[in-house]
Amino acid sequence: GDSVTQMEGPVTLSEEAFLTINCTYTATGYPSLFWYVQYPGEGLQLLLKATKADDKGSNKGFEATYRKETTSFHLEKGSVQVSDSAVYFCALRRGSNYKLTFGKGTLLTVNP
Amino acid sequence: DAGITQSPRHKVTETGTPVTLRCHQTENHRYMYWYRQDPGHGLRLIHYSYGVKDTDKGEVSDGYSVSRSKTEDFLLTLESATSSQTSVYFCAITSSDFYEQYFGPGTRLTVT
Repeated sequence: GDSVTQMEGPVTLSEEAFLTINCTYTATGYPSLFWYVQYPGEGLQLLLKATKADDKGSNKGFEATYRKETTSFHLEKGSVQVSDSAVYFCALRRGSNYKLTFGKGTLLTVNP
Repeated sequence: DAGITQSPRHKVTETGTPVTLRCHQTENHRYMYWYRQDPGHGLRLIHYSYGVKDTDKGEVSDGYSVSRSKTEDFLLTLESATSSQTSVYFCAITSSDFYEQYFGPGTRLTVT
C-alpha cells in the first residue's frame, strides 16, 4: 500500500539557518504530494502542494519539488524563524475520495 | 478557514462508555474525514464520507462507527471507549474547488 517516510525528529536549528526535512513516498501511479504544518494546540494547515512530477510547491518561504525519479518531496527553507517552530507532515493523495496518507511528522524547534 | 468546527474540544470519559464526536462544516463540501493523531504514528484515517449516508472505512476503523445524515455534520462514535482510543481526533474536508484537504481544530479525548 501507499506509505510516506519522513525524517525522524526532533530537528533543532538556530534562527536564520537552512532547513531541510526529507520526505520519500511509496505509491503506484502519480500521487499528489503535500506538506502540512501544525502549530502547538492547533489543527493541520496546508503549507504547499505539488500535483505532478517536477512541480515545485512554495509558500511562506518554504519550497518542495516533486521528484518522481527519487520518489521524494523534501521541504526546504533558506532562513528559518522562531515562528516556524511546529510539526511538519508530509502526505500523499492517490486514487478516489481524496484520502491522504501521512508521514509520522517532524518536530522543528527554532531557537533565537 | 474552511468553516469546520468540532465538538467537544476536550472530553474525558471512562472505559466502556459510548462517546460521540461531532464535526460541522458550513460550506457544503461533499467529502469529510475523521483522523486520529498519536505520537509516533502521524495521522491515520478512521472513516470517511463521500456524501450523505455514504461512508467507508479507513485504516484504523475498528471500534469506531460514523454517520452522516446531513451534508454539514459528520459524527464519529466510539461504541464502548477503550484506553487505546485516547487520542486527538481531527475532522477534515476536501474543498470543492482545488480538492485540497482542510482540518478542524481537533478534539482531545481521554479514556480513563
